[in-house]
Amino acid sequence: GAGVSQSPSNKVTEKGKDVELRCDPISGHTALYWYRQSLGQGLEFLIYFQGNSAPDKSGLPSDRFSAERTGGSVSTLTIQRTQQEDSAVYLCASSLLPGYLLAEAFFGQGTRLTVV
Amino acid sequence: GNSVTQMEGPVTLSEEAFLTINCTYTATGYPSLFWYVQYPGEGLQLLLKATKADDKGSNKGFEATYRKETTSFHLEKGSVQVSDSAVYFCALSDHGNNDMRFGAGTRLTVKP
Repeated sequence: GAGVSQSPSNKVTEKGKDVELRCDPISGHTALYWYRQSLGQGLEFLIYFQGNSAPDKSGLPSDRFSAERTGGSVSTLTIQRTQQEDSAVYLCASSLLPGYLLAEAFFGQGTRLTVV
Repeated sequence: GNSVTQMEGPVTLSEEAFLTINCTYTATGYPSLFWYVQYPGEGLQLLLKATKADDKGSNKGFEATYRKETTSFHLEKGSVQVSDSAVYFCALSDHGNNDMRFGAGTRLTVKP
């Protein structure tokens, strides 16, 4: 597609349930990022994928969070046993090159997750 | 570790007023610096960037100069419009790290 696509756009789930959020990056982009944007807060880095390298998971807030990227393209962020504090907008971004090589990131519209 | 600090909002200005949103950073290497903007109901998009000291990024009347001596990248616009109302994020990417680090965002509201 022309841009970064995320699905679903909105997700309401019950506390304790697992959720999966999907990100389709721009074709050919090797770098993929997940961020979380809580109400009134800035962007919180979660995880970074670059090509076939091991992902940088340093931003994942707990072991309930995990992410994978299949075939160097689509990525899925999984949150197990959701809690109310997980409610936020989850943003995915991709870039042609690693950030330090000066390529800006292109963002998806995000998935708004509400845990009730 | 790397981090970005930007002025807290919200900021409310009248149309045609001068805008400054302060941004300072901490980085271990030689970062590139960015300003992203998020208009209401839309995703983040790049506004401008600068890749080395003394570079000036500019777009849509906005400017920011990479100041290594003060580790700053303040966003300025001489005359804001109602359509500039949005949330502005300062960000950096660094050779020594894999991710882009973002500031907390500053909400700007411009009134007619």
